[in-house]
Amino acid sequence: DVKVTQSSRYLVKRTGEKVFLECVQDMDHENMFWYRQDPGLGLRLIYFSYDVKMKEKGDIPEGYSVSREKKERFSLILESASTNQTSMYLCASSITAPKTQYFGPGTRLLVL
Amino acid sequence: TQLLEQSPQFLSIQEGENLTVYCNSSSVFSSLQWYRQEPGEGPVLLVTVVTGGEVKKLKRLTFQFGDARKDSSLHITAAQPGDTGLYLCAGGGGSNYKLTFGKGTLLTVNP
Repeated sequence: DVKVTQSSRYLVKRTGEKVFLECVQDMDHENMFWYRQDPGLGLRLIYFSYDVKMKEKGDIPEGYSVSREKKERFSLILESASTNQTSMYLCASSITAPKTQYFGPGTRLLVL
Repeated sequence: TQLLEQSPQFLSIQEGENLTVYCNSSSVFSSLQWYRQEPGEGPVLLVTVVTGGEVKKLKRLTFQFGDARKDSSLHITAAQPGDTGLYLCAGGGGSNYKLTFGKGTLLTVNP
């Protein structure tokens, strides 16, 4: 059974803090993704990685960075959290074809 | 830019009713996925379709991929409260890695 886990289900942080969200997959997938999901805006891609140490910007990378040092782990970093980064963050992984993505349970982040 | 439009945006029905939700695009997709997402959880994959005209059944759910691979539908027979959730479609297209997601149909099935 495929499994994607995320380090926290809920997080509360202060404005200006550095925030780390971690994602681990046990399916040996090449590709990993970070999305944020907001009401009315759907899923928006922040960053993705198609191999270890490789990353590409998604649609909304500003204010975020990522790290992929091992194939199974993909981290999202908020360098200096702001209130407009309050959101549900979803991690996913996939193989290249047919691109089906498997999602983690999500991290609900509140920035005060 | 590839876009997927889902309709309706919201749907509230009574237990036992049938329903169909739609996922449409002007672009051709190499594959199409349907997910269901419950409140506070991540999307869970229901099905992947890859062949134009393909029909897949998952118990009371029937998924169809359009002949031209530009659209898809999800039909639920005799809906149950457990079917409540956000239904998302996602298409694999030009990019080797990424999916294009629709904004979803929020389904509520009332007992």
